[in-house]
Amino acid sequence: DVKVTQSSRYLVKRTGEKVFLECVQDMDHENMFWYRQDPGLGLRLIYFSYDVKMKEKGDIPEGYSVSREKKERFSLILESASTNQTSMYLCASSDGTSGYYNEQFFGPGTRLTVL
Amino acid sequence: AQSVAQPEDQVNVAEGNPLTVKCTYSVSGNPYLFWYVQYPNRGLQFLLKYITGDNLVKGSYGFEAEFNKSQTSFHLKKPSALVSDSALYFCAVRDRGAAGNKLTFGGGTRVLVKP
Repeated sequence: DVKVTQSSRYLVKRTGEKVFLECVQDMDHENMFWYRQDPGLGLRLIYFSYDVKMKEKGDIPEGYSVSREKKERFSLILESASTNQTSMYLCASSDGTSGYYNEQFFGPGTRLTVL
Repeated sequence: AQSVAQPEDQVNVAEGNPLTVKCTYSVSGNPYLFWYVQYPNRGLQFLLKYITGDNLVKGSYGFEAEFNKSQTSFHLKKPSALVSDSALYFCAVRDRGAAGNKLTFGGGTRVLVKP
């Protein structure tokens, strides 16, 4: 089974802090994604990566950056956390070799609270 | 641009009764369509997908979905709901003609199955 793990389930930070969210997948997937989930808004894509050191902006990249130095690891960085970044953050991965119709596999999520 | 609408925030159904969760989509070309489920405090789990071919797609846990191109819909169905089906359900779409591997998710529908 594909396993996607996230470094923390719950995280509390202060406004202005730099925040790192880590995601690791064990299935050698090319594609990795970061979403935020807010009630009524569903999942919104922040950034995704289709290869090591490659990244593309999603629908809401402002205030975030990402890093992918190794194939299995995709990090989301909040450069200066703000209260409106309080949310559930979900990481996902998918196989990129068979086309763009492969399902994504999700981690358990990190619930971030910014005070 | 691609978009998904889930018109119902919540669906209530009695155990043993049929369950339907509605989804409509908008893409410029032909769609790839997905359903995911999220149990409390968990990440999303893949249920089923439509790529091409038979309009009726069968998935995990007894769920199925029907692709209707003329109505641009992809409703999720289960003939006999269980209490354990209570969860948050997300529909997602990808435009086949679009570059990249981005999914667009609906806002989610909460299903409550009462004993």
